[in-house]
Amino acid sequence: DAGITQSPRHKVTETGTPVTLRCHQTENHRYMYWYRQDPGHGLRLIHYSYGVKDTDKGEVSDGYSVSRSKTEDFLLTLESATSSQTSVYFCAISELAVSSYNEQFFGPGTRLTVL
Amino acid sequence: AQSVTQLGSHVSVSEGALVLLRCNYSSSVPPYLFWYVQYPNQGLQLLLKYTSAATLVKGINGFEAEFKKSETSFHLTKPSAHMSDAAEYFCAVSQNTGGFKTIFGAGTRLFVKA
Repeated sequence: DAGITQSPRHKVTETGTPVTLRCHQTENHRYMYWYRQDPGHGLRLIHYSYGVKDTDKGEVSDGYSVSRSKTEDFLLTLESATSSQTSVYFCAISELAVSSYNEQFFGPGTRLTVL
Repeated sequence: AQSVTQLGSHVSVSEGALVLLRCNYSSSVPPYLFWYVQYPNQGLQLLLKYTSAATLVKGINGFEAEFKKSETSFHLTKPSAHMSDAAEYFCAVSQNTGGFKTIFGAGTRLFVKA
């Protein structure tokens, strides 16, 4: 199994509070991704990173920010949590190599509930 | 723009029956196609991938998928379902164009009846 951990695994918070989710990898992969999973929507990309301090927005980035100060860590911050951000959040990694064709490896997920 | 459509949010089969999960894609350039599986309370795992080397792709756990360009399809099949195949399956497409983003379908939950 690819070495990807997410913390916390479960979190309940209140509307308006900031929340930070952490993804940590031990594979030294270049690309890291944050997705949210909601019923009927599959996985939707929030933000991704293509290197240290290099990040870009995905399709549902409003209300989220990210940071990557080290290769192994990718943080997702909800600046002011809203109930619509209740979801399961997955981190993924991939190495930009021809043979991998952008195959992604996923972490175990973080279940976030915003009350 | 890329897109993926999975036909049927739920599919139910009997143990030992054929499994067929449908996926159609839209892509302006030759795509890379993937099937991922998600077991309850876990992250996604790669089942198989199409990379243009062969149109019939074999994956883990007896699954296979056939790339049909004329039909823009990449359906997932398994000849004989097992109870352990019960999970959610996601079809995904990506292109080799800036950012290497992958678009996922909405998912199909497979139920296997004894």
